[in-house]
Amino acid sequence: EAQVTQNPRYLITVTGKKLTVTCSQNMNHEYMSWYRQDPGLGLRQIYYSMNVEVTDKGDVPEGYKVSRKEKRNFPLILESPSPNQTSLYFCASSLGQVNTEAFFGQGTRLTVV
Amino acid sequence: GESVGLHLPTLSVQEGDNSIINCAYSNSASDYFIWYKQESGKGPQFIIDIRSNMDKRQGQRVTVLLNKTVKHLSLQIAATQPGDSAVYFCAENWGGSARQLTFGSGTQLTVLP
Repeated sequence: EAQVTQNPRYLITVTGKKLTVTCSQNMNHEYMSWYRQDPGLGLRQIYYSMNVEVTDKGDVPEGYKVSRKEKRNFPLILESPSPNQTSLYFCASSLGQVNTEAFFGQGTRLTVV
Repeated sequence: GESVGLHLPTLSVQEGDNSIINCAYSNSASDYFIWYKQESGKGPQFIIDIRSNMDKRQGQRVTVLLNKTVKHLSLQIAATQPGDSAVYFCAENWGGSARQLTFGSGTQLTVLP
């Protein structure tokens, strides 16, 4: 089954404790991206990657890092999480970066206390 | 900056009626649009897309209309069912942008019995 898998689904952590949210897709897609979803603000792009070792900032990259060492994986790294990063995070992948449908993961609910 | 927005944040319809969800966009260079459905606790799910060289596209029980003159997009759902209750997002992409999609803030559709 074609899917985007995120882990964990839920995470509560403390300020400053580094964490990684994993994302994996099995569709051989080149393009992957991370979004955060906050009430009233919709989905905002954090980072995106057009292929292995190619990443770039989205609209709200501050406080986040990503890596793309393999085509299927695109982890989101919070080196020093802060409470304003409490949000619902979605990973997405697509065949190309323009004019193509994006497939989304199930989401990761992160709470930073 | 350019933005994608929705006219109404909530919409309630009777089961069996038709639903119309509207979306305004401001980037005249946008050439690809997608409607996503997001059920509670899940990631966004593709419904239908349309390219800027079209003004109408039909799927199963759904129709998307694009009016480039007034930069307006709508999603019509025929014979709305309880399973259609969700948040609906429109998203736009413009050629030449390496970023994938810009999302609106969403409309909550509630189907009344």
